[in-house]
Amino acid sequence: AQSVTQLGSHVSVSEGALVLLRCNYSSSVPPYLFWYVQYPNQGLQLLLKYTTGATLVKGINGFEAEFKKSETSFHLTKPSAHMSDAAEYFCAVSDRGNFNKFYFGSGTKLNVKP
Amino acid sequence: DTEVTQTPKHLVMGMTNKKSLKCEQHMGHRAMYWYKQKAKKPPELMFVYSYEKLSINESVPSRFSPECPNSSLLNLHLHALQPEDSALYLCASSQITSGSHEQYFGPGTRLTVT
Repeated sequence: AQSVTQLGSHVSVSEGALVLLRCNYSSSVPPYLFWYVQYPNQGLQLLLKYTTGATLVKGINGFEAEFKKSETSFHLTKPSAHMSDAAEYFCAVSDRGNFNKFYFGSGTKLNVKP
Repeated sequence: DTEVTQTPKHLVMGMTNKKSLKCEQHMGHRAMYWYKQKAKKPPELMFVYSYEKLSINESVPSRFSPECPNSSLLNLHLHALQPEDSALYLCASSQITSGSHEQYFGPGTRLTVT
């Protein structure tokens, strides 16, 4: 089974600073990769995904992520944090052979300081 | 339209009650999912339906009974629940096609078992 690691359960940045949320997966075969955001008492919203092709993917709200096969990573970045980015972020992967089953990381809570 | 709707938003039930959670999508997705999410944790997969047939049951106790009456609707029937079943229950849907199978989540039903 897949294993997804999100380093840092809590990340705090100042408004306007770079956001970097880390995600590493375990499989030797590159999976499908996703980032979701969850605001309090809401469902998960898809930020971006990587399936194939260009390794730098752009998502909504100014977020982007880069797939690095050699590092088995899919870190999420945003150049300038906004107060509205404060939320819980989940990295998820699915295997290419059983793609309907998602494996979620434990989540990273992003705090944005004024 | 990328909306998944869930009713009710909140539900309080006793341990002897029978209740149902409902989920609906009109995106033409042929895969639908139930997840359970405890506070400060990632979603845990419970069931997956593909083409209205149950394809994955993650060893969920029989007091949870899923049903997929048609391609747009997904129900979760609840009976004789325990207080530890209190959680946010999330429904999601996706296309079946590999590479386009990102999951879209509903806002969830907050369940409290007393």
